[in-house]
Amino acid sequence: SQQGEEDPQALSIQEGENATMNCSYKTSINNLQWYRQNSGRGLVHLILIRSNEREKHSGRLRVTLDTSKKSSSLLITASRAADTASYFCATDAWNQGGKLIFGQGTELSVKP
Amino acid sequence: GAVVSQHPSRVICKSGTSVKIECRSLDFQATTMFWYRQFPKKSLMLMATSNEGSKATYEQGVEKDKFLINHASLTLSTLTVTSAHPEDSSFYICSARDKAGRGNTIYFGEGSWLTVV
Repeated sequence: SQQGEEDPQALSIQEGENATMNCSYKTSINNLQWYRQNSGRGLVHLILIRSNEREKHSGRLRVTLDTSKKSSSLLITASRAADTASYFCATDAWNQGGKLIFGQGTELSVKP
Repeated sequence: GAVVSQHPSRVICKSGTSVKIECRSLDFQATTMFWYRQFPKKSLMLMATSNEGSKATYEQGVEKDKFLINHASLTLSTLTVTSAHPEDSSFYICSARDKAGRGNTIYFGEGSWLTVV
């Protein structure tokens, strides 16, 4: 079953602005991962944050994790038109047999 | 980095025929592979977990006889859509977990577009 919920479902911003996407989940997790998908293409792994971590950075990406609220956020700073894509969170839980359960995704559009 | 290859990337088949999609881990061994299905502008829905040397574990609501999964080796899993119908048209994506356990990262294939006409 799909457990992740993301908001917003769609986000449109101007180049240079920051984009924030949120993800909520329901069960206890081992880690949470963020992926990017360009239209009609496969998934690109962006960042993994473990359950004992609260914040992680990678380039222009910043991910936070609040296990008490069962939520995570992905911040893309100084966005570029090339960041236009769908972004998904996925949870890897201890009781899920190693499978990833994906959120509904946020469709990000960055206008030049 | 680790690579997972899917083949074919696009396939068109006639209603009633079967089509096979392959998922290969190219530079690592994967005891477990996962098959997902994705409809346009929707999220990935897990269909089944493919275990090397044993039967696949299917998610609730996924027809086992419709979507046959075989994981015959540590680098190859196949998904066969049997007696395909137009409603089976979708984007199918596989992923693989490194047996050697390089962190908890899952590696995804590029996906396969199936169109049933």
